[in-house]
This record gives sequence, C-alpha cells and structure tokens, in this order.
Amino acid sequence: GENVEQHPSTLSVQEGDSAVIKCTYSDSASNYFPWYKQELGKRPQLIIDIRSNVGEKKDQRIAVTLNKTAKHFSLHITETQPEDSAVYFCAASTGNQFYFGTGTSLTVIP
Amino acid sequence: DADVTQTPRNRITKTGKRIMLECSQTKGHDRMYWYRQDPGLGLRLIYYSFDVKDINKGEISDGYSVSRQAQAKFSLSLESAIPNQTALYFCATNRAGEGYTFGSGTRLTVV
Repeated sequence: GENVEQHPSTLSVQEGDSAVIKCTYSDSASNYFPWYKQELGKRPQLIIDIRSNVGEKKDQRIAVTLNKTAKHFSLHITETQPEDSAVYFCAASTGNQFYFGTGTSLTVIP
Repeated sequence: DADVTQTPRNRITKTGKRIMLECSQTKGHDRMYWYRQDPGLGLRLIYYSFDVKDINKGEISDGYSVSRQAQAKFSLSLESAIPNQTALYFCATNRAGEGYTFGSGTRLTVV
C-alpha cells in the first residue's frame, strides 16, 4: 500500500517568517493530495489540496507544490501568524483510501 | 450546516467491555471512514465503507468491527476493549475524489 512520510515532525518559526512542510509518497497511482490543519482539541480541517495534473496551487498565504517525478509535495505558509500554530497533516490518495503522514506540529512565535 | 457528528465525545471504559462509537452525517456523502489518532502515529484507517452494503478493512482493523446502518450512519465497535485501544477516534466522510470532512472526535480511554 501507500506510504506517506512527513517532515519535520516539529517546526518553530518567528511570526512573519515562512514555514515549509514536506511529504513524500510511494504509490505513483496517487493522484490527490490534501493538507489538513488540526488545532488543539479540534478535528482536522481541510485547508488546501492539489491534484496530480497540477504542479502548484495557492490560496492567500498558503500554497502547495507537487513533484510527481520525485513523488513529493510540500505545504508553504508565508507571513506566518500565531493562529497558524497547529498540527498539519499531509495525505495521499488514489481515489479510495487516504494515507496520512504522521503530522507536523507548527509553532509560530510572536 | 451539514456536518459529521460523533457520539460520545469522551468515554472511559474498562478492559474487556464492549463499546460502540457512533457517527452520523448530514453531508449526503456516500463514503464513511473510521480512523484512530495516536501521538506520533498520525491517523490510521480502521474500516471504511463506500455504500450501505460495502464494508472494508483498513490497516488496523483487528479488535474492531463496524456497521453501516444507513447512508448517514456508521458505527464502530470494540468487541472487548483493551488499554492499547486508548486513542482519539475520528469518523470522516467524503464523495469520491474529494477531501474528507472529519467528525468532532471521540476520546476513548480503556482502563
């Protein structure tokens, strides 16, 4: 089955700096890559996603890039704010099951 | 608003007891899933269902069973709870090719 690895497991940045979280996947048939944000004590929420026919997608301060050849995708958060502090999960899907990374705990220091 | 609701939110149970976690959704989605979340291990799939008559095992189904009572309802049972089933459990729903909507979660403690 699919194997998704996510790095780093923890990340601290100063407010206003950028944060980058990287994921790799193993199944070349995976074609959908969502990112979820989970605030403390809450459910994961979808924040952005990308499909395999697209190389990059942006939504205000967040962006996702996909390199199908290398089988990796990344989440970029610019101009970080304290409310960006959370655990972020990447996932890969072939259209059926979703396989999740182990999460990145992001702390934005005011 | 359409949502995914889990009950109970918190539960403490004793080793060996049978317990059921329930999930209902008003999203109109066909697909429903049960995951457990453990620190450092992320979200791991227990069971999933693409239709009322469709049940599939995930990567960690041992010790669990499920029932899809209706399109909107998907319950997870622990037949004989053990302490290493202590975790945060999430139900999720989606349509094919779309991202998940997660339920509010059930924090289960087995003592």
